[in-house]
Amino acid sequence: QSALTQPASVSGSPGQSITISCTGTSSDVGRYSFVSWYQQYPDKAPKVMIYDVSARPSGVSDRFSGSKSGNTASLTISSLQAEDEADYYCSSYSTSGTWVFGGGTKLTVL
Amino acid sequence: EVQLVESGGGLVQPGRSLRLSCAASGFNFDDYAMHWVRQAPGKGLEWVSLITWNSDKIAYADSVKGRFTISRDNAKNSLYVQMNSLKTEDTALYYCAKGGGPYDYYGIDVWGQGTTVTVSS
Repeated sequence: QSALTQPASVSGSPGQSITISCTGTSSDVGRYSFVSWYQQYPDKAPKVMIYDVSARPSGVSDRFSGSKSGNTASLTISSLQAEDEADYYCSSYSTSGTWVFGGGTKLTVL
Repeated sequence: EVQLVESGGGLVQPGRSLRLSCAASGFNFDDYAMHWVRQAPGKGLEWVSLITWNSDKIAYADSVKGRFTISRDNAKNSLYVQMNSLKTEDTALYYCAKGGGPYDYYGIDVWGQGTTVTVSS
């Protein structure tokens, strides 16, 4: 049950696009399409932004998109806005029947 | 509106026990798997445990296996976790979270606001 690997931080200017990677193994990200992404503001509960690799819940902006290649999943935020500044976490189902989170990525909007 | 309200957190000495509860409303509780996730102060999210809709599948993170027990009462729309032999590293904000469907492979789609557990002498 090793944590998925995410960059500690990413940054971008308003209007730009950024991508956050989430690297796992063939036992989790690489094996299943059960990858989710969560946004968390300071002192707030997380909110799901993407589920099942690329599905977007109703109410989530279409500026958020997800994808996967091999053992790495990615979250892309286009047309970056100040309100996107937050922590982002990926999670994946694994062969052990458990879930694992990434270490989190702090997004800074410059 | 889907709501998850955790309770039962507090200050406890190492080695002691604590039971957290989560009251669910706004959805058919017995149609969904449920999870516990924790977040230590200033740290990231750590998945703790899950239980499927009918309790036939239960799973734990290695860090809590053998010490924590998850359970649910569908008649009371409630989720629980019994935490025994608590360690200082169990100090965290504990979130109750709803799965997107009845089985273990459905990711979390709704989170509670959390209850704080502090393990200290």
